[in-house]
Amino acid sequence: KAGVTQTPRYLIKTRGQQVTLSCSPISGHRSVSWYQQTPGQGLQFLFEYFSETQRNKGNFPGRFSGRQFSNSRSEMNVSTLELGDSALYLCASSLVGGAVSYEQYFGPGTRLTVT
Amino acid sequence: DAKTTQPNSMESNEEEPVHLPCNHSTISGTDYIHWYRQLPSQGPEYVIHGLTSNVNNRMASLAIAEDRKSSTLILHRATLRDAAVYYCILTGPSSSNTGKLIFGQGTTLQVKP
Repeated sequence: KAGVTQTPRYLIKTRGQQVTLSCSPISGHRSVSWYQQTPGQGLQFLFEYFSETQRNKGNFPGRFSGRQFSNSRSEMNVSTLELGDSALYLCASSLVGGAVSYEQYFGPGTRLTVT
Repeated sequence: DAKTTQPNSMESNEEEPVHLPCNHSTISGTDYIHWYRQLPSQGPEYVIHGLTSNVNNRMASLAIAEDRKSSTLILHRATLRDAAVYYCILTGPSSSNTGKLIFGQGTTLQVKP
């Protein structure tokens, strides 16, 4: 079974631009979560989607948004990029959603650099 | 959200067992204990999880204290590939924890040949 895939793997953008990152979950998985990883803040939860609905959201500004499609693929968008948005963005999928007792499977991440 | 406390770093010799501790004194009765690890330049990887009883899988064992206020991840024979940051995470059934893993700083494990 193919793992979680994320595209693109690397991205360089300029401050003020917007960016869209894509995540394809493991086949059959309906929940997709997004995380941001920086050296200073570590791994932080952005949001989680299940059956095309956002069920949970982390403490990030409204410039960070996401959506999920009917095939469970998900995209996240960051508008008006700031230098501090430079990070590794990780996507994780799980079978039925909810991190209570189901493991999440992470993709390799998209490395975003904002200049 | 209940918090976990882990040592910042640990060292181990190759082919020896490794015991990675985690304290979670404010754990609630319905919180699960999850362990993930992150190898260099990769996304986190699920290792194991449990609720009350000790758990074993092909990667590791999870020993949970009787009062559930601490747990230990056991790698039975460390290899160089096990060098990673190990995260101990609590998840509960409340809606605030849905689909959400709260990562701390984790324990950086070094494995020496």
